[in-house]
Amino acid sequence: AQTVTQSQPEMSVQEAETVTLSCTYDTSENNYYLFWYKQPPSRQMILVIRQEAYKQQNATENRFSVNFQKAAKSFSLKISDSQLGDTAMYFCASGPSRDQFYFGTGTSLTVIP
Amino acid sequence: DAGITQSPRHKVTETGTPVTLRCHQTENHRYMYWYRQDPGHGLRLIHYSYGVKDTDKGEVSDGYSVSRSKTEDFLLTLESATSSQTSVYFCAISERSLSGANVLTFGAGSRLTVL
Repeated sequence: AQTVTQSQPEMSVQEAETVTLSCTYDTSENNYYLFWYKQPPSRQMILVIRQEAYKQQNATENRFSVNFQKAAKSFSLKISDSQLGDTAMYFCASGPSRDQFYFGTGTSLTVIP
Repeated sequence: DAGITQSPRHKVTETGTPVTLRCHQTENHRYMYWYRQDPGHGLRLIHYSYGVKDTDKGEVSDGYSVSRSKTEDFLLTLESATSSQTSVYFCAISERSLSGANVLTFGAGSRLTVL
């Protein structure tokens, strides 16, 4: 089975500052995808950004970007110009591997006004 | 959660009673998943389906069964609920494509409390 590790259970950042959330993973697949999902207090799981492992270029979505280091199996999320609405739980995920997707334990991010 | 709905959204039940959670999709996706979310554990896969009547176990399948008689519906059943099954349950759907969709889309979640 794959494993996804998020080593930062909680983080905080000042509004308008930049924060980076860490994620490492382990897989035996040659082709796979990596994801960051956001879960605000509403509990809804929202896709933030997706990276295809065979693409070397790091994915970006507005204020969100990733640093994908394939050899190191690292996939960190950078949030620029943090906003109060970014306060949420963030989950890193990988897959599919044998049709399954694997999630980390999450990082709770608080944006401080 | 456009295209995917879970019911019920909240349920309180007693130990030993059967419980069924329903996931309904309108996207005609082949893959459907049931996860449970618990503090400190993230999301863990219970069961998944890769087609009508085609299902397989995930990481935490003990005490759960599933059925998929139609493409659009995926049912999760707790035959005899226990307090350890108190959790938030998420259904998710996915499709595979060469264009690389491969994205999990989640329902709104169902909070189950077993007393």
